[in-house]
Amino acid sequence: QQPVQSPQAVILREGEDAVINCSSSKALYSVHWYRQKHGEAPVFLMILLKGGEQKGHEKISASFNEKKQQSSLYLTASQLSYSGTYFCGTVPTDTDKLIFGTGTRLQVFP
Amino acid sequence: DGGITQSPKYLFRKEGQNVTLSCEQNLNHDAMYWYRQDPGQGLRLIYYSQIVNDFQKGDIAEGYSVSREKKESFPLTVTSAQKNPTAFYLCASSMAVTEAFFGQGTRLTVV
Repeated sequence: QQPVQSPQAVILREGEDAVINCSSSKALYSVHWYRQKHGEAPVFLMILLKGGEQKGHEKISASFNEKKQQSSLYLTASQLSYSGTYFCGTVPTDTDKLIFGTGTRLQVFP
Repeated sequence: DGGITQSPKYLFRKEGQNVTLSCEQNLNHDAMYWYRQDPGQGLRLIYYSQIVNDFQKGDIAEGYSVSREKKESFPLTVTSAQKNPTAFYLCASSMAVTEAFFGQGTRLTVV
């Protein structure tokens, strides 16, 4: 039931862009994105509700394709502070569970 | 300050013992969740609760139990039936299914 994230890991140089994908087998009400630094709690980035909207948060934005049950997180002009593990969380339309994917580890080097 | 607090930060358990992890929030959130985190497996849902005195099993509820007697509190008990309890446990809360706030986690080790 966990959403599938890809890629599993990304290595970037500062200033490069990255895309992280999240795919669910179930119809979704919403998709959440979080970033977790090692040993810390996950921190909320953004939430997208069904309707196919795209959201932005500084240089981090996301889209949600309701028909395909897919979401993508876009990181542009990456900074060292972007390093961490990114999780998508999904809420299916038939339940109120918040279920997370397996994560994508992102490392940004100078 | 409003927030969600987990305690203890580190916990050691002998095989065959039950242990209880505490989770308290003062955000007035209705929903609370417990997740288990193992390397390479992301966050897996153990139990969740949308209202007081009601909770539902997540994907890996076997060997765990919870209670929700107060809106602010959602303790998790790891029972001796849980075969591999060593993990990082995260508690979260949210207003309905909006942004979830996480506690700092409890690292449980079986010795």
